[in-house]
Amino acid sequence: NAGVTQTPKFQVLKTGQSMTLQCAQDMNHEYMSWYRQDPGMGLRLIHYSVGAGITDQGEVPNGYNVSRSTTEDFPLRLLSAAPSQTSVYFCASSYGVTNTEAFFGQGTRLTVV
Amino acid sequence: GENVEQHPSTLSVQEGDSAVIKCTYSDSASNYFPWYKQELGKRPQLIIDIRSNVGEKKDQRIAVTLNKTAKHFSLHITETQPEDSAVYFCAASKTGRRALTFGSGTRLQVQP
Repeated sequence: NAGVTQTPKFQVLKTGQSMTLQCAQDMNHEYMSWYRQDPGMGLRLIHYSVGAGITDQGEVPNGYNVSRSTTEDFPLRLLSAAPSQTSVYFCASSYGVTNTEAFFGQGTRLTVV
Repeated sequence: GENVEQHPSTLSVQEGDSAVIKCTYSDSASNYFPWYKQELGKRPQLIIDIRSNVGEKKDQRIAVTLNKTAKHFSLHITETQPEDSAVYFCAASKTGRRALTFGSGTRLQVQP
């Protein structure tokens, strides 16, 4: 049982490039989400999914796309990277939509130059 | 939407002392309040949570208290140890809301 696995761990992008951050969980959780973590701002929700085929926007969705074709995977796509997207990204999953423990991946540190 | 404020942003204590971190929330319907610990370079991990039908919950050296009337909840760590040094996040949610709302975090440093 690996829990929540994110790849890559580190990434440097040039402005305008696109990329996909991968997230997979093996706990059969229905709910998955992506957060970004910036100094002094806590964890802010980007997008979330309550099940395969269902996604919705969070607090800071601009510049990011998601899809959920399977229960296990929830990739985050940066369409055209900007320096403002330099951050640490965490994927999380939980059994229920709310009121249950969220399990986080190990994070991806993204730098956009 | 929900807004969670967390104080202080940094906290330094001597080993063996107690540490208290406080959070306030805006939505009186919130009913789930977890606390996450994030060690340097690591992922956040749940350390304790409390639901609105309970006023206090303890787990060894950590405890959380909830005051629904005042809409605030606090994390208490007793007999602090150097390994307690980390960033702590509070969060709030309610049944039907589709995400946790996190506070901005508190960096706790325990001086040996």
